[in-house]
Formats: sequence, structure tokens, C-alpha cells
Amino acid sequence: QVQLVESGGGVVQPGRSLRLSCAASGFTFSDYGLHWVRQAPGKGLEWVAVISYDGSKKEYADFGKGRFTISRDNSMNTVYLQMNSLRPEDTAVYYCAKDGSAPHDYWGQGTLVTVSP
Amino acid sequence: DIVMTQSPDSLSVSLGERATINCKSSQSVLHSSKNKNYLAWYQQKPGQSPKLLIYWASTRQSGVPDRFSGSGSGTDFTLTISSLQAEDVAVYYCQQYYRSFTFGPGTKVAIK
Repeated sequence: QVQLVESGGGVVQPGRSLRLSCAASGFTFSDYGLHWVRQAPGKGLEWVAVISYDGSKKEYADFGKGRFTISRDNSMNTVYLQMNSLRPEDTAVYYCAKDGSAPHDYWGQGTLVTVSP
Repeated sequence: DIVMTQSPDSLSVSLGERATINCKSSQSVLHSSKNKNYLAWYQQKPGQSPKLLIYWASTRQSGVPDRFSGSGSGTDFTLTISSLQAEDVAVYYCQQYYRSFTFGPGTKVAIK
């Protein structure tokens, strides 16, 4: 069965960096695009970024352009989100989600990022 | 950017009754040559990750009960729960994937 397991969240000061990871299993990783979606505490879902199956195409939400970088290692079945210059408004649960019949047909359990002095 | 709106913000429905959630996009999400609406619905139960219910506006994801149905085209869409069950208490989000990806603000469904 499809499994997506995020890690790397934590408490970080404004202006610092953090790298999230998402380890995948249960499907042919190199055949599918992967997304990051976030959810601030008590708020709705917000799409963050997507990377194509082979890593050749990447797209970001406006708030992430120039600060966030999505990447993947198909040999490790892992997708990453490098987040730089973090702001308090980046505080959220970050989910990775697999592309498929719809943009997000499977989701991980999420990892919490808290940006606070 | 395509903006998604949903109505109502929340609704309370008796067990076994119908629940209807509306979703509107600021631009059409219908790909005319493919004749597909790039619109999905997700369910997020309290304390859980979201789950895909419907894609292409009306196609149920495998394993989703048939009491869930999606309809609409262009800019106006509806998610219907034909007979509300206790386990359907959740927040429901629509999402367009025609041009980039945008979620609606969500609709909270509770039991009356």
C-alpha cells in the first residue's frame, strides 16, 4: 500500500532554514510527481510546490518562489522541501502528497513546522 | 490566479439526510478539448490528513462510498452526500488543478 512519511519538522527561528523529507513506498516512485501542501493551525489547505516524476519540472506557490526548493532522489524514493528565510507565517503542518488520478491521491501524515523567535 | 470559493462555510445535517456543498471557481476549469473539469474534492476528518474523494469533478476515487457524488462544470460545482453518516463529519475542500493548484476555504459538516 502507498505510504508517505514526512520528517524534518520542528521549531526554527525566523530567517533560518529547514529541510523536510518525505519517504515513499508502495508504488513506483519514479513514475509519479510529488507535491507539498501545508496547513496553518486551524486553517485550510494551501498548495506549496510540485515536482515532476523525473525532477525536470518544478512549480511553486508565489509565497515560496525564491525561498523554497523542491527536489527528489529517485534512488532513495524521497522528496525534499528546502525552506530558507522562514517567516512566522510559514508555521504549518506540511504534507507531501502523490500525484495520480488527481493531484493528491495519497497523503502523508504531515510534519509540523513552527517558526518562532 | 484562479480563486476558489465554497458555500456554506459550515452546515449541520441530520443523520440520513442530504448534505450539499457548493464550490465556485473564478475562471472556468473545463479543458474544452479534453472535455474534463480539473476539479477535485477532498475530505479531512478531525486530526487526520486529507483524503481524495472525487476527481475530474464527478469521478469517485476507488473505495469512496457511493453516497458521495460530484457534479457541475465550468465554474460551478457541487459535492453531495446523499445520506449523511456519523463518519462523514469532516471539513470538505474543493481544488482546481486546471492552472496551478488552488484549494477552496473548506466547508465544515456536522451532525444536527
